[in-house]
Amino acid sequence: GEDVEQSLFLSVREGDSSVINCTYTDSSSTYLYWYKQEPGAGLQLLTYIFSNMDMKQDQRLTVLLNKKDKHLSLRIADTQTGDSAIYFCAESSSGNQFYFGTGTSLTVIP
Amino acid sequence: KAGVTQTPRYLIKTRGQQVTLSCSPISGHRSVSWYQQTPGQGLQFLFEYFSETQRNKGNFPGRFSGRQFSNSRSEMNVSTLELGDSALYLCASSLGPSLLEQFFGPGTRLTVL
Repeated sequence: GEDVEQSLFLSVREGDSSVINCTYTDSSSTYLYWYKQEPGAGLQLLTYIFSNMDMKQDQRLTVLLNKKDKHLSLRIADTQTGDSAIYFCAESSSGNQFYFGTGTSLTVIP
Repeated sequence: KAGVTQTPRYLIKTRGQQVTLSCSPISGHRSVSWYQQTPGQGLQFLFEYFSETQRNKGNFPGRFSGRQFSNSRSEMNVSTLELGDSALYLCASSLGPSLLEQFFGPGTRLTVL
């Protein structure tokens, strides 16, 4: 399968910005996603971006895509304690099969 | 609109047994995908069904199987359970044939003793 890599842990102070990074290998990726998983829960779709876009902003969330470097990032502005969770990036080339990253555990320190 | 529901939420089985997990998609959704989540392997795609047909299958042994009914509800079955099958099994549904927006259920936590 395709490789999707993320750093395992990130810790930020409440009110700061968080940046979660992801790299992928499939050059034919069409869609790239960010999901959030809280303890004991399933995955919640946060946002997604088409591969022909460079940036997408949705309230406190900003997604940046560098297709040349196959690098995706999620920036969370004004991070709150409720943002503490595991964040997964995922990619699909046809929209029919997803490959998920390893997940980044975000801890927000009050 | 109710979300994706999965039953049971927790399950304990012993090696060699078989298990059936159930997933009810969001009303109107016709595609159901299954994923296995473990600490070591992360999230891995099992299979995906659309209109009762399996369209994609991940790299899992034949002990893992699934099906989808005419009402889009789906079941997955694992036979001859092994300790390594202990995991959170997640089901996701999407409206049409593209999985562009998948909505996940809370998962079934399977423990194999």
